[in-house]
Amino acid sequence: IAGITQAPTSQILAAGRRMTLRCTQDMRHNAMYWYRQDLGLGLRLIHYSNTAGTTGKGEVPDGYSVSRANTDDFPLTLASAVPSQTSVYFCASSDSGLYGYTFGSGTRLTVV
Amino acid sequence: GQNIDQPTEMTATEGAIVQINCTYQTSGFNGLFWYQQHAGEAPTFLSYNVLDGLEEKGRFSSFLSRSKGYSYLLLKELQMKDSASYLCAVSYGQAGTALIFGKGTTLSVSS
Repeated sequence: IAGITQAPTSQILAAGRRMTLRCTQDMRHNAMYWYRQDLGLGLRLIHYSNTAGTTGKGEVPDGYSVSRANTDDFPLTLASAVPSQTSVYFCASSDSGLYGYTFGSGTRLTVV
Repeated sequence: GQNIDQPTEMTATEGAIVQINCTYQTSGFNGLFWYQQHAGEAPTFLSYNVLDGLEEKGRFSSFLSRSKGYSYLLLKELQMKDSASYLCAVSYGQAGTALIFGKGTTLSVSS
């Protein structure tokens, strides 16, 4: 692994189903983030974690939950998916925030 | 609330210079970032400004005026591969080091 790995790359999900998007980094970055990107709306922060064991809500947290049990992993869970959660999801990490963020390659999720 | 504005689209020709503007209103300011995103790919880091002034990195330069809540990204000697979306983002501190992004400027470079 080099950088940030997201899985799956893409997924079609039935509405009402539970889904966990995985994110793993091997850079030992303290902070990790989940964004969703929608046409015309740009990147919007869902949840963040400044260090292992802590999480916080971003701009659009409703319908999503996260956990940060260790430094490397930051999964995003949709408890009961709805069509409005159709989006491209990006996980990112940073060390101090001063030198830019590293983004994963994204997960394209379609809820039908 | 937090707000970042940048033009939706811009066009330019190969070899030209283009300036992409960004204005922001945020509760606090830790720094301003520019990212490049090609279609279907993840954003990649271009530049970071925390103090007023110009930061130059090869063909790309970024300027910041904190008092005016204003930044621009200057791209020189444009190439076709510069066709992409350019994202302005601000770190404002309430969510740790998380960034709030503008909606992006799609730049189309033609020959």
